[in-house]
Amino acid sequence: KAGVTQTPRYLIKTRGQQVTLSCSPISGHRSVSWYQQTPGQGLQFLFEYFSETQRNKGNFPGRFSGRQFSNSRSEMNVSTLELGDSALYLCASSLGGDSGNQPQHFGDGTRLSIL
Amino acid sequence: GESVGLHLPTLSVQEGDNSIINCAYSNSASDYFIWYKQESGKGPQFIIDIRSNMDKRQGQRVTVLLNKTVKHLSLQIAATQPGDSAVYFCAEPPLTGTYKYIFGTGTRLKVLA
Repeated sequence: KAGVTQTPRYLIKTRGQQVTLSCSPISGHRSVSWYQQTPGQGLQFLFEYFSETQRNKGNFPGRFSGRQFSNSRSEMNVSTLELGDSALYLCASSLGGDSGNQPQHFGDGTRLSIL
Repeated sequence: GESVGLHLPTLSVQEGDNSIINCAYSNSASDYFIWYKQESGKGPQFIIDIRSNMDKRQGQRVTVLLNKTVKHLSLQIAATQPGDSAVYFCAEPPLTGTYKYIFGTGTRLKVLA
């Protein structure tokens, strides 16, 4: 079974630009969460989607947005990029719903560098 | 608020020795815990999980111990190898209705040759 796939793996942008990152969850997983990870920081929660609905959102500005498609694939978008947005962006999927305790499975992330 | 935290940010272990990574949690109602391993340049990788009806669970060279009395869990790695060098996170599933997993800050394991 294929794992969580994130594209692209690496991205270089300049300040003021916008970027879209993609995540394909494990087949059958309906919940997708996004995290930002920077050196010295833990996993900072961005948002979680299930059945195309955002169920929770972290403390990030409105420049960070996301969506989920009917096939559970998800994208996140960051507009008006700032230097501080340089980070590893991780996507994680799980079965979701009310199926009880279950782990999230992570992709290898997209490394975003802002120049 | 609810939190999962790690006692030691960095742990250095001699190759071949056993490693013990600790984690404290604050929500006494938590009934499921997960350990992840994150190698440089990669995403966190699921290692092992444990449910609260168990005190111990073993995997391949790894054992997780759960002490509900003091709200503490640990990850033991037997015969630590250079490939075990990574950051290890403990995690809890979301509190009901939050849909947000709770992660510890991580412990960096360094294996010394």
